[in-house]
Amino acid sequence: SYVLTQPSSVSVAPGQTARITCGGNYIGSKSVHWYQQKPGQAPVAVVYDDSDRPSGIPERFSGSKSRNTATLTISRVEAGDEADYFCQVWDSSSDHLFGGGTRLTVL
Amino acid sequence: QVQLVQSGAEVKKPGASVKVSCKASRYTFTSYSVQWVRQAPGQRLEWMAWINIGNGKTKYSQNFQDRVTITWDTSASTAYMELSSLTYEDTAVYYCAGGRDGYTSIWFDPWGQGTRVTVSS
Repeated sequence: SYVLTQPSSVSVAPGQTARITCGGNYIGSKSVHWYQQKPGQAPVAVVYDDSDRPSGIPERFSGSKSRNTATLTISRVEAGDEADYFCQVWDSSSDHLFGGGTRLTVL
Repeated sequence: QVQLVQSGAEVKKPGASVKVSCKASRYTFTSYSVQWVRQAPGQRLEWMAWINIGNGKTKYSQNFQDRVTITWDTSASTAYMELSSLTYEDTAVYYCAGGRDGYTSIWFDPWGQGTRVTVSS
């Protein structure tokens, strides 16, 4: 079955750039979606189809992809960006899959 | 505006069943499918099933195939997820979400607020 691998945590100072990766075999051939989840809240989509933003999501959130890694980039990080971030893909052998999540800490 | 509102927390005994509801706003919910995803403590999000609210077609994850049933009540604009034969490992927060067509796959938006299900003797 397909597996998505994310770092458990990423730390960044306010105003800096955070990069959260999502590794998967040939993930470059799949559409990757990203979600933000703050404590006690439901997930919210922040990027879909690798690099598109849903309505209302700031331009500071962007996505990119290479052959085996997708990356969520958050520019000019703010304290309010502190949350867990999950990647998601669809795979024919595993249906919808989520990564294990990355805790973003704003120092 | 809130688009998906779920039912309240549940406590069930092992072996019992639980039924969670997810009411969609008639005026602002535009997705054609409702997805169900759960999040057990310390675990990653896990997709369970989805239903096409237009034709009632369903698809279930192999992990839950024999225990989960998804339905849609058109008159009430409400989806239901019933999970049977509960074990302690089913303790989790259960979410419904709208499915949106991406370029090659579905992404999930909006999400309900979640329903906490606790399995305890």
